[in-house]
Amino acid sequence: AQSVTQLDSHVSVSEGTPVLLRCNYSSSYSPSLFWYVQHPNKGLQLLLKYTSAATLVKGINGFEAEFKKSETSFHLTKPSAHMSDAAEYFCVVSETGGGNKLTFGTGTQLKVEL
Amino acid sequence: EPEVTQTPSHQVTQMGQEVILRCVPISNHLYFYWYRQILGQKVEFLVSFYNNEISEKSEIFDDQFSVERPDGSNFTLKIRSTKLEDSAMYFCASSAETSNQPQHFGDGTRLSIL
Repeated sequence: AQSVTQLDSHVSVSEGTPVLLRCNYSSSYSPSLFWYVQHPNKGLQLLLKYTSAATLVKGINGFEAEFKKSETSFHLTKPSAHMSDAAEYFCVVSETGGGNKLTFGTGTQLKVEL
Repeated sequence: EPEVTQTPSHQVTQMGQEVILRCVPISNHLYFYWYRQILGQKVEFLVSFYNNEISEKSEIFDDQFSVERPDGSNFTLKIRSTKLEDSAMYFCASSAETSNQPQHFGDGTRLSIL
């Protein structure tokens, strides 16, 4: 069985400061991991994906995430937050060979202040 | 960039009525999915569909639910006799051929059961 834990339900940063959104996963198989972002009244947009290639994954809008198998983590980072980054972020796992079902974390609401 | 489109954006229905939610997946995608998000809760997998049949479904997807690909472009979710607890945001997604390909989501249909 696969699961995802997002350690913070809310994160607040100042514009221009780094962002860290934490995610730990559990998977019986080799996982594929994703981060999706949801802006208000919009759908889920893919930020980045890890599928057993490079452990440091770069995504859109300056975001990146590092897959650490020893820590079962896939934290999302960005060096400098922008006001437009304010949204809800979901860490998602899918098991390779276990079908395409996505299992979502509970989400982290990112607030960016001036 | 091609996208998944969902209609309607908001559906209000009386309890006990049938409702059909519609989705147009990305044209060259072969895997189709429905997810739902009850207000304040995490996004949950409902069903996946490939080669004109259900490939996986969750325990939420009971006999009241059905999916169909009636033509080459549409993918529908039908709820036969709606209940109050079916009120949620319903997301359609599609992905390309392999299981490692990310799923692309529509903007969702907000279903309100009165």
